[in-house]
Amino acid sequence: EADIYQTPRYLVIGTGKKITLECSQTMGHDKMYWYQQDPGMELHLIHYSYGVNSTEKGDLSSESTVSRIRTEHFPLTLESARPSHTSQYLCASSVETSGFETQYFGPGTRLLVL
Amino acid sequence: KNQVEQSPQSLIILEGKNCTLQCNYTVSPFSNLRWYKQDTGRGPVSLTIMTFSENTKSNGRYTATLDADTKQSSLHITASQLSDSASYICVVSDRGSTLGRLYFGRGTQLTVWP
Repeated sequence: EADIYQTPRYLVIGTGKKITLECSQTMGHDKMYWYQQDPGMELHLIHYSYGVNSTEKGDLSSESTVSRIRTEHFPLTLESARPSHTSQYLCASSVETSGFETQYFGPGTRLLVL
Repeated sequence: KNQVEQSPQSLIILEGKNCTLQCNYTVSPFSNLRWYKQDTGRGPVSLTIMTFSENTKSNGRYTATLDADTKQSSLHITASQLSDSASYICVVSDRGSTLGRLYFGRGTQLTVWP
């Protein structure tokens, strides 16, 4: 079982609200990711970080922002939620072992924007 | 365009039966291929990882095969159990390190009936 946590697990919120999805890991991993996943679709990378004070945008255009002030913490913020943001958000961290990167995923946050 | 295609999209089998899931990819360069299991409401968990030189790898009742020449992989599940009901995701990496890029398939949704 990976030591990576996400809160909240479920969130229902109205349009225009500001929300922050929390992600923390206790494995000391440098690289962390945020993915968006819709039912029956592949995971889309929206943000990633190589370490403290490093943040990069992923492949999928996103109106969210992230920060990485501490190694263990990688929160994602939506300044103004919209119904199009309804999705599942997965956080992951990774470590390189024997030359290969292994990702560990959190349980996800299911977001519904009304 | 680098892609990962999985088939079938969904599959229903009876408990105790075997099944095989397919993954075709066009990712180049190729470093490794992973199969993940994602239970409903959870994050993906790695089942196997295979590199260019590996043809077969097993993890309990799960056996993955890789044909790097035809860029095909399969995941065979033997003597299925109810707990095997999940989405199985094929992920291809173009580089082994954390600098690599990951390409996700859409997954095969497997349902095992009693």
